[in-house]
Amino acid sequence: DADVTQTPRNRITKTGKRIMLECSQTKGHDRMYWYRQDPGLGLRLIYYSFDVKDINKGEISDGYSVSRQAQAKFSLSLESAIPNQTALYFCATSDRDRGREQFFGPGTRLTVL
Amino acid sequence: GNSVTQMEGPVTLSEEAFLTINCTYTATGYPSLFWYVQYPGEGLQLLLKATKADDKGSNKGFEATYRKETTSFHLEKGSVQVSDSAVYFCALSAESSGGSYIPTFGRGTSLIVHP
Repeated sequence: DADVTQTPRNRITKTGKRIMLECSQTKGHDRMYWYRQDPGLGLRLIYYSFDVKDINKGEISDGYSVSRQAQAKFSLSLESAIPNQTALYFCATSDRDRGREQFFGPGTRLTVL
Repeated sequence: GNSVTQMEGPVTLSEEAFLTINCTYTATGYPSLFWYVQYPGEGLQLLLKATKADDKGSNKGFEATYRKETTSFHLEKGSVQVSDSAVYFCALSAESSGGSYIPTFGRGTSLIVHP
């Protein structure tokens, strides 16, 4: 079974709709992250959480919110989706040591019409 | 702030050619450096890493050396295969202005290997 799972894998929605993307992990890591990937722009950090009570904004948090329901679950919400939020979204986890790598989920492809 | 710059792609090579993908960084303190690979339709996965100056990371025939004097971490492979076709991301983990260690990624370099 995958260590980091994301649901849904694909989603098409309309402008103005509320969308939630979910991430679960079985790696036992404290740290979780949400990124978006756009062609030519690489990965950009939306939000990150170092534990259940610690939530931080990344470089592009406007229009997004998150919830860390448990150590293993970290959800990303788009309160009112807009077309320029069409992208590939990745969840990732890491151990607290700064030298440790990140482990990524398979991604959610979101299309906002 | 911290940043990673890597060469733009796509890089197109014939099978068995030598590969270099350049990566330079700007960071405070002593960052850890990473190369991730993303195969089509998948998430990123760690390819190799180095946590201190002069360390060499290696995996699957790929190598990169942490060069503090030139702030670089160039990815190399002596003989690429078609199966190496993917997007490669250089990344670092370094102390941010807030004092915690936040990952920073480059924009990715697409590699296309022809038979």
